[in-house]
Amino acid sequence: EIVLTQSPATLSLSPGERATLSCRASQSITDYLAWYQRKPGQAPRLLIYDASKRAPGIPARFSGSGSGTDFTLTISSLEPEDFAIYYCQQRYSWPLTFGGGTKVDIK
Amino acid sequence: EVQVVESGGGLVQPGGSLRLSCAASGFTFSRHWMNWVRQAPGKGLEWVANIKQDGSEKYYVDSVKGRFTISRDNAKNSVFLEMHSLRAEDTALYHCARGFCIGTSCYGNYFDSWGQGTLVTVSS
Repeated sequence: EIVLTQSPATLSLSPGERATLSCRASQSITDYLAWYQRKPGQAPRLLIYDASKRAPGIPARFSGSGSGTDFTLTISSLEPEDFAIYYCQQRYSWPLTFGGGTKVDIK
Repeated sequence: EVQVVESGGGLVQPGGSLRLSCAASGFTFSRHWMNWVRQAPGKGLEWVANIKQDGSEKYYVDSVKGRFTISRDNAKNSVFLEMHSLRAEDTALYHCARGFCIGTSCYGNYFDSWGQGTLVTVSS
């Protein structure tokens, strides 16, 4: 099973700041990684797929990068609605696995 | 509007059974892989199972193999999760999630539309 480790667990930032979230895989997953956003009481939302491709309707301030074992989700300038929990997920091998999540909260 | 709505959750005793249903609307159901993803209280997301568009392929996380069965009915735009020999550790909010398609490419193993979930509690 591929283990995804997200860091930091919590990121405290102010609106307008840049957020950088990390996801590290226990083995190479090429670029088979997605990022999701989850807000309380809402279903998760697909942001990025295949490491760097934005899903339809996702604002340009969200970007993904990385390949192999190290991946990054960057939010260039935090909007109030971006404070949420972010999960990475790999599709390289079964079982599909998620990281433990990074909570982005308001400083 | 794309919608997936889960039902069938509830309180069940250890060793018991439950059948979850997911009704889909607003899209061509037969084009998409369908998935079940769960979240236990205070924990992160865990993928449980998925099924190919025509039902010919099914995959499960190890912890549910032999106990859970995923199926679908394309005529009724529905996907199901039959759960047996339930354990306390199966307690979770179970989400139905559509496999992601963009253009002519379908990535069954990314999830782009999720339901709100149905709660399964396994307890005596």
